[in-house]
Amino acid sequence: AQSVTQPDIHITVSEGASLELRCNYSYGATPYLFWYVQSPGQGLQLLLKYFSGDTLVQGIKGFEAEFKRSQSSFNLRKPSVHWSDAAEYFCAVGRGDSSYKLIFGSGTRLLVRP
Amino acid sequence: GAVVSQHPSRVICKSGTSVKIECRSLDFQATTMFWYRQFPKQSLMLMATSNEGSKATYEQGVEKDKFLINHASLTLSTLTVTSAHPEDSSFYICSATGQGAVEQFFGPGTRLTVL
Repeated sequence: AQSVTQPDIHITVSEGASLELRCNYSYGATPYLFWYVQSPGQGLQLLLKYFSGDTLVQGIKGFEAEFKRSQSSFNLRKPSVHWSDAAEYFCAVGRGDSSYKLIFGSGTRLLVRP
Repeated sequence: GAVVSQHPSRVICKSGTSVKIECRSLDFQATTMFWYRQFPKQSLMLMATSNEGSKATYEQGVEKDKFLINHASLTLSTLTVTSAHPEDSSFYICSATGQGAVEQFFGPGTRLTVL
């Protein structure tokens, strides 16, 4: 069965520092991979997605993620964090079948120190 | 990007009453819509998938008779929580995809509080 693991429940970084949020997935074929961000009381905003091709994906707000098949990972990175990046981040994998369902990880809450 | 709206954003109701939540795709035709439930500080749980013009497909453990879903048009899906109880209090989020698309566009969510 497919699954998504985000091993870090909370991460705290200082403003201006670099960030890496981890995501590991379990899926038999090449998955569709997504990173979403959720501010408190809000819906989800898509940061970036990977379907195929170049394994380094650029997203909005300066985020990027790298698909590593050998490690079954799709980690999210940002070179310099801003205070406004504080939010909940969800990694998700799409089944790639006609159902188009997404399976979400448990989320990582990012706190930014001034 | 595509825009999905939800109405209302917040609703408070008495136990035993029914509540309807609307999900609309504003600038694209949503052939498939998804309904999720999110408890505080937890991830999204898929409740059901609805395709325009057909019955919704519910995930295991989700009561069909309690969470009624209608997807009558390509831009509107509704979730009705029937005979709501305090344990139904949650954040409900919808998402939508277009024909053949994998990416889901999410609504802003509806906070339901049942007293």
